[in-house]
Amino acid sequence: DAKTTQPNSMESNEEEPVHLPCNHSTISGTDYIHWYRQLPSQGPEYVIHGLTSNVNNRMASLAIAEDRKSSTLILHRATLRDAAVYYCILRALFNAGGTSYGKLTFGQGTILTVHP
Amino acid sequence: EAQVTQNPRYLITVTGKKLTVTCSQNMNHEYMSWYRQDPGLGLRQIYYSMNVEVTDKGDVPEGYKVSRKEKRNFPLILESPSPNQTSLYFCASSPISPIREQFFGPGTRLTVL
Repeated sequence: DAKTTQPNSMESNEEEPVHLPCNHSTISGTDYIHWYRQLPSQGPEYVIHGLTSNVNNRMASLAIAEDRKSSTLILHRATLRDAAVYYCILRALFNAGGTSYGKLTFGQGTILTVHP
Repeated sequence: EAQVTQNPRYLITVTGKKLTVTCSQNMNHEYMSWYRQDPGLGLRQIYYSMNVEVTDKGDVPEGYKVSRKEKRNFPLILESPSPNQTSLYFCASSPISPIREQFFGPGTRLTVL
């Protein structure tokens, strides 16, 4: 399975941009990059996903490296409510190499602390 | 309201006493999955189901069983719980396409004494 590597923790100040990195050097050409976050005492929630091009939505932006071996989740203006654990995962587009695209590996994620 | 529900939300039990944690979704999703979350280990997938009667192992399936007899329900069964299964469990569902988002339930905190 293609795996992702994220820093254990990051800190930011409120109102400042936050760049959360994710390395996925073994990504295959058909793996989508998904980001989820988990607020304290809640289940994870979807943030954004992409394949090759940079993506924007109301929550965040996703910047994907040209070689796709890394990506960065960008929170343009961090708020206290953005303090959470952020997970970067890969989802295969279809079954390949004996691995089902239903199998997902979340990892430990990055704990984001936002200071007032 | 579109949601994933889990029951019970909290459970304290003893070693060896069979238990079932239910998971239900009202979004007609084909894909459902169970995860456990432990401090320092993040979310780990236990089992998943691509559709009715189709289930497969995740990364940590030992000690668990699942069934998918109906599209909306995906119960997690612990036939003989042990203390190392004390954890926070999450159920999730999504449409079958891997580019669609997963919706997670609120979690079930299980303690096995």
